[in-house]
Amino acid sequence: DAKTTQPNSMESNEEEPVHLPCNHSTISGTDYIHWYRQLPSQGPEYVIHGLTSNVNNRMASLAIAEDRKSSTLILHRATLRDAAVYYCIPKSSGDKLTFGTGTRLAVRP
Amino acid sequence: GAVVSQHPSWVICKSGTSVKIECRSLDFQATTMFWYRQFPKQSLMLMATSNEGSKATYEQGVEKDKFLINHASLTLSTLTVTSAHPEDSSFYICSAPSDGRSGANVLTFGAGSRLTVL
Repeated sequence: DAKTTQPNSMESNEEEPVHLPCNHSTISGTDYIHWYRQLPSQGPEYVIHGLTSNVNNRMASLAIAEDRKSSTLILHRATLRDAAVYYCIPKSSGDKLTFGTGTRLAVRP
Repeated sequence: GAVVSQHPSWVICKSGTSVKIECRSLDFQATTMFWYRQFPKQSLMLMATSNEGSKATYEQGVEKDKFLINHASLTLSTLTVTSAHPEDSSFYICSAPSDGRSGANVLTFGAGSRLTVL
């Protein structure tokens, strides 16, 4: 599995954009970059994934570096409901999903 | 979208008893499901992969005789914690691949089952 490095914690103000970084310098060519988040006392929730190109969906945007050794999850306008632990996980199609320690995002009203 | 339902959401049992947790894919079929365990303030740890119609595959260090997994249909997997002890108290979460179209195998997770063993 590719090793990932994420900040332990980050803070944001409500309604401001948040950029959550992830380093995955040992990513393999077949690994998709997945992002999941876990709200308190709930199971994880899929956020977004990408391979090489930047991706957008209704929840977030994913910016992938050209060399694929890092990526950034972008929440365009943070809400209180976005307070969660965010996990960046490089994974190939047949591999198991292995969680690291993630980034705990706090959102200030 | 895809939904995975877990039941019960929380359970309290006495030491030495067995507890069964169900995981259902509500609007899709899942030949494979994954069971995770999460202790307080820790990340999720994969326990086992449940395979429909065949034996589960357990991760290293997980006792297969203690954590019995059955995947009898394409929409149901069960995890039975046998002879539970206080150290088995944890948050158990199941998941299933819900989007194989992209090749990324995105997982949908259940809401989790919190087990407390007295």
